[in-house]
Amino acid sequence: RKEVEQDPGPFNVPEGATVAFNCTYSNSASQSFFWYRQDCRKEPKLLMSVYSSGNEDGRFTAQLNRASQYISLLIRDSKLSDSATYLCVVTPPGYSTLTFGKGTMLLVSP
Amino acid sequence: DTGVSQNPRHKITKRGQNVTFRCDPISEHNRLYWYRQTLGQGPEFLTYFQNEAQLEKSRLLSDRFSAERPKGSFSTLEIQRTEQGDSAMYLCASSRGMSGYNEQFFGPGTRLTVL
Repeated sequence: RKEVEQDPGPFNVPEGATVAFNCTYSNSASQSFFWYRQDCRKEPKLLMSVYSSGNEDGRFTAQLNRASQYISLLIRDSKLSDSATYLCVVTPPGYSTLTFGKGTMLLVSP
Repeated sequence: DTGVSQNPRHKITKRGQNVTFRCDPISEHNRLYWYRQTLGQGPEFLTYFQNEAQLEKSRLLSDRFSAERPKGSFSTLEIQRTEQGDSAMYLCASSRGMSGYNEQFFGPGTRLTVL
């Protein structure tokens, strides 16, 4: 089982739609969780951290379920500019590095 | 521009040649990381430094790979006797502080093509 698993997509949605991505991780002792965004041929950039209590940043909501080892990202009112690959990222216990999933591609169309 | 910079941005080499990449982190960041990314995959960790000390290396980092950060500022990643399987985007990231939970800022990457 891979450490971090995501549906690669692509998810094709119209502008204004709500879309949700899921991610599972294998190590139950993982400590930190993030969503990064990567535009085509660009470097990854932090979108948001994910907390056990859930957190929201504008149109983006992230949630963590430690019992199920599951992380989600919800994007409301999708914009064309949201088109990108969304990477689920986990920090294993005792490590200072990031473990990335393969990413989920989102395509928002007019 | 005060972000992470990497040079060169693109490198084409023949199999068997040695290549060296450079990363300049954000100036006040004491941690520097190297990752490798191939098409359709997320970045994979290679190694990281805290100041000049190399604290961790992935099993992906074969003995043909070596990284240095001699003065705790810029870093170099050298690949000796390149193989076609080394073709990838090599990403550098930096962060401040002593925790792995601090945001890592990525550079634009060096795209390596081994012919």
